[in-house]
Amino acid sequence: DTAVSQTPKYLVTQMGNDKSIKCEQNLGHDTMYWYKQDSKKFLKIMFSYNNKELIINETVPNRFSPKSPDKAHLNLHINSLELGDSAVYFCASSQPDGNTEAFFGQGTRLTVV
Amino acid sequence: DQQVKQNSPSLSVQEGRISILNCDYTNSMFDYFLWYKKYPAEGPTFLISISSIKDKNEDGRFTVFLNKSAKHLSLHIVPSQPGDSAVYFCAALGSGGSNYKLTFGKGTLLTVNP
Repeated sequence: DTAVSQTPKYLVTQMGNDKSIKCEQNLGHDTMYWYKQDSKKFLKIMFSYNNKELIINETVPNRFSPKSPDKAHLNLHINSLELGDSAVYFCASSQPDGNTEAFFGQGTRLTVV
Repeated sequence: DQQVKQNSPSLSVQEGRISILNCDYTNSMFDYFLWYKKYPAEGPTFLISISSIKDKNEDGRFTVFLNKSAKHLSLHIVPSQPGDSAVYFCAALGSGGSNYKLTFGKGTLLTVNP
């Protein structure tokens, strides 16, 4: 039973398109995240939501808009896709109280052509 | 500006020997450190962690050591097994509002040869 699941696993799309990546967690966690792993393999946080409220936005372009309909879901919408958006996007979740590990989804490899 | 650095992009060891993966950090606000393991086409999975109030944490074959004065931590795997071959990421959490954000190193690819 997958703890953090994201769909799709692979996404190939043309420049200028709008796309969404969905994420769901069944761990009962209050906090969810989106991380991006770029071509240099750095894993960097993009957004963090705690109980459906945005708490971190790491200067991500406003073409990226996270949406949290409930605390088990955090979807990522990307408008007007650019070549530089090509990366692997990971959803994660954790409990917000104290130091605790985050659980990651399998990743979505986005390729913009 | 890399606050968490893993200076060895790769490491190769023989099965049964010890693997030592190193990590350095620059931000003294970090107070909790984690190691994640990642296989290709999968998400990172949590391996082991250590609080800044400790200098060692052990879990089976995995031990993490923390040297706060040197801002250095290391992950020891002994004995190493072929199934340990993966990319290992060092990560840090900080106080002062940064508990929601993991800062990752670039990762070290460990290859354990049979």
